[in-house]
Amino acid sequence: GQNIDQPTEMTATEGAIVQINCTYQTSGFNGLFWYQQHAGEAPTFLSYNVLDGLEEKGRFSSFLSRSKGYSYLLLKELQMKDSASYLCAVMDSNYQLIWGAGTKLIIKP
Amino acid sequence: GAVVSQHPSWVICKSGTSVKIECRSLDFQATTMFWYRQFPKQSLMLMATSNEGSKATYEQGVEKDKFLINHASLTLSTLTVTSAHPEDSSFYICSAGTGREQETQYFGPGTRLLVL
Repeated sequence: GQNIDQPTEMTATEGAIVQINCTYQTSGFNGLFWYQQHAGEAPTFLSYNVLDGLEEKGRFSSFLSRSKGYSYLLLKELQMKDSASYLCAVMDSNYQLIWGAGTKLIIKP
Repeated sequence: GAVVSQHPSWVICKSGTSVKIECRSLDFQATTMFWYRQFPKQSLMLMATSNEGSKATYEQGVEKDKFLINHASLTLSTLTVTSAHPEDSSFYICSAGTGREQETQYFGPGTRLLVL
């Protein structure tokens, strides 16, 4: 079966750095996406990785290792507004998105 | 770019009525649109995938006669919840892509449905 694993909840301090991990087992791989979802709102696109390595976009970076079936989202200089759920999704061989359950990130002052 | 709108954002209806939700891609042509449902504190659940001009592909367990999807143009898809019941109360979110492989999905703001 297809499976995406990410921690249910994480807590971090304002100004700090946090890394949210995602491991996956899918039938084929055509890229991995990270989305941010604030409570009561729809997800917004953060990043897309299809090749191994680190993609940096401002305060957010996303890393992928296809051989390990592993990705992480790195958030630097955390702000209170970063409190949200972070969803990891993998596109399988049929170009279908397989979604993780999301990681709720709580930022404390 | 890549803006997707949904209407209405909030709807309350009586049990047994039908509700139509519209999803529009405002600044691009969406060959493929996706409909999701999300219950509180749960992950997104894909309901169906619709391609312009063809019948929608429904996920296992989703009743196609209850959740009618129409993708009549490259910028508009509609989801109609027929004979809604309280258990249909949920957050319905559409997303759109151009249909190219490895395409990012852009999400609408969602529609919160409450069936009394």
